[in-house]
Amino acid sequence: EVQLVDSGGDLVQPGGSLRLSCAASGFTFSNYWMSWVRRAPGKGLEWVASIKQDGSQKYYVGSVKGRFTISRDNAKNSLYLQMNSLRAEDTAVYYCASQFASSSHYWGQGTLVTVSS
Amino acid sequence: DIQMTQSPSSLSASVGDRVTITCRASQGIRNDLGWYQQKPEKAPKRLIYAASSLQSGVPSRFSGSGSGTDFTLTISSLQPEDFATYYCLQNNSFPLTFGGGTKVEIK
Repeated sequence: EVQLVDSGGDLVQPGGSLRLSCAASGFTFSNYWMSWVRRAPGKGLEWVASIKQDGSQKYYVGSVKGRFTISRDNAKNSLYLQMNSLRAEDTAVYYCASQFASSSHYWGQGTLVTVSS
Repeated sequence: DIQMTQSPSSLSASVGDRVTITCRASQGIRNDLGWYQQKPEKAPKRLIYAASSLQSGVPSRFSGSGSGTDFTLTISSLQPEDFATYYCLQNNSFPLTFGGGTKVEIK
């Protein structure tokens, strides 16, 4: 069974840091681009970042550039999102997702990040 | 950046109705578009990929069409479990962009 399990969400103060993780199983993780997508309260879905299979290419939405870093460990079948200098507007449920262009496509269950003092 | 304009932002419909949602891209994206359904407290679920390919396991009442800049998601006969929010996503070029969403409510 294919699974993506998101974890690491928490309550953090503005300016703080957090690292999200996504553990993959049931498919060949190293063959897929991977991404993070978020949904803020009362808002729509927003793509956050993507990383190529070997980690050689990374892309970010403008609002997180320089603050967030996407990474992966193919040996551990894991995806990460390091979030620094967090702001209130980063409050959202964060989902990992596999390659959008593929016929095989999977999502994690989401993990809640709340940025508040 | 490619902007995705989705309409309507909400609609009310009855069970059995035919429902159509559209997305317009600010520039051509070939057929690099997917349609997603999201219910409260749940992860998004992809219904359509490559503009018109039905995701495995998704009921055939869902269909997608379009290419270039104009795309459509059609639900041929709305079912009770279809009341949700729907999004398009262009995966032609980074930054990837979602449409603003369409909330489908019960009339």
